[in-house]
Amino acid sequence: GQNIDQPTEMTATEGAIVQINCTYQTSGFNGLFWYQQHAGEAPTFLSYNVLDGLEEKGRFSSFLSRSKGYSYLLLKELQMKDSASYLCATKGAGSYQLTFGKGTKLSVIP
Amino acid sequence: DGGITQSPKYLFRKEGQNVTLSCEQNLNHDAMYWYRQDPGQGLRLIYYSQIVNDFQKGDIAEGYSVSREKKESFPLTVTSAQKNPTAFYLCASSTGTGGEEQYFGPGTRLTVT
Repeated sequence: GQNIDQPTEMTATEGAIVQINCTYQTSGFNGLFWYQQHAGEAPTFLSYNVLDGLEEKGRFSSFLSRSKGYSYLLLKELQMKDSASYLCATKGAGSYQLTFGKGTKLSVIP
Repeated sequence: DGGITQSPKYLFRKEGQNVTLSCEQNLNHDAMYWYRQDPGQGLRLIYYSQIVNDFQKGDIAEGYSVSREKKESFPLTVTSAQKNPTAFYLCASSTGTGGEEQYFGPGTRLTVT
């Protein structure tokens, strides 16, 4: 099975940088996803990491360390519209299934 | 525009009634999924299908049933056997080749009283 842990809530200031951590324990691993979900809406894909290292995509970056079972999502130049829940999800080896963490609710304040 | 549709957005039912939630995709994806989301909880997998006429139970399949008669459609029936059916239900699809992202529909919020 796969256990995923991420902070429940975070607050950050507009224009700042915030890092959302995700740790996982898994019997098999084939990649880690980050999704953004605004309240009452569908999750939207942000990033996918399968190899160690940092993937940068505009204001958002995602990092993975497979040996440590650790990932983070880095959001730069925060905007009010970034207020949302951020979901960490892992995919098991040889599986189509994603296992989701409970999500981190980020509030961006002026 | 390609995408996933779920209807309706809000659904209300009386306890003891079966209800079917629709999910349609025109992305030509092979794999489709149903998740349930409760407040403060992550998405939990109910059922998934990798190909037409085949589907597999997820982590919380009890009280639910699905069918996959067409590639585009993956309806979910919430039966009266589901003990706590009130939740936000999300359908998703992916190309099915592995390692790729899942695309989500807008969701159906089901309330059973």
